[in-house]
Amino acid sequence: AQSVTQLDSHVSVSEGTPVLLRCNYSSSYSPSLFWYVQHPNKGLQLLLKYTSAATLVKGINGFEAEFKKSETSFHLTKPSAHMSDAAEYFCVVSDQTGGGNKLTFGTGTQLKVEL
Amino acid sequence: DTGVSQDPRHKITKRGQNVTFRCDPISEHNRLYWYRQTLGQGPEFLTYFQNEAQLEKSRLLSDRFSAERPKGSFSTLEIQRTEQGDSAMYLCASSLVTSGQETQYFGPGTRLLVL
Repeated sequence: AQSVTQLDSHVSVSEGTPVLLRCNYSSSYSPSLFWYVQHPNKGLQLLLKYTSAATLVKGINGFEAEFKKSETSFHLTKPSAHMSDAAEYFCVVSDQTGGGNKLTFGTGTQLKVEL
Repeated sequence: DTGVSQDPRHKITKRGQNVTFRCDPISEHNRLYWYRQTLGQGPEFLTYFQNEAQLEKSRLLSDRFSAERPKGSFSTLEIQRTEQGDSAMYLCASSLVTSGQETQYFGPGTRLLVL
């Protein structure tokens, strides 16, 4: 079965400093990996996805993630945090057994951005 | 706004009552997924439809839960004889599968509170 582990439940950064949200995955085959963001009282929004093309994936709002097979990691980064980035971030792996594309979510990382 | 809508956004009910939620996917999306998210956790897969056919159900989906997608467009999720443990956010996502690629777009969710 596929799974993801988000290594930090809470991350706090100052505005303008880099963001690093860590994720490790477990998969028996080449996975599809995603990062979703959830703002309070809003739906989940896709930030970026990896589907076995380029290992460095660029997403929306300046976020990017690098797929590292040797480390089974898919960490999310952003060079400079903005107040509007404060939200919960989910690392997600896709399970395509059974024909569908069931998403398995991590437990989430709450990002706090301080002035 | 992803284009996926859910109704109602909030529902408070008493234990033992039946509730029904509706999801309207993005037009022409052929897959529709239901997930459940409890406080402090990531969403968990419940079931999915390919057009009008329900193709997979999670073990989380007890026999009190039933989902339909009668014409391959909107979907309903009904919970009979609600229990306090059913309190959660119920999320719907839709996708269009093309060339093996698929991205799920999530609605804002229906938050259920069972008293």
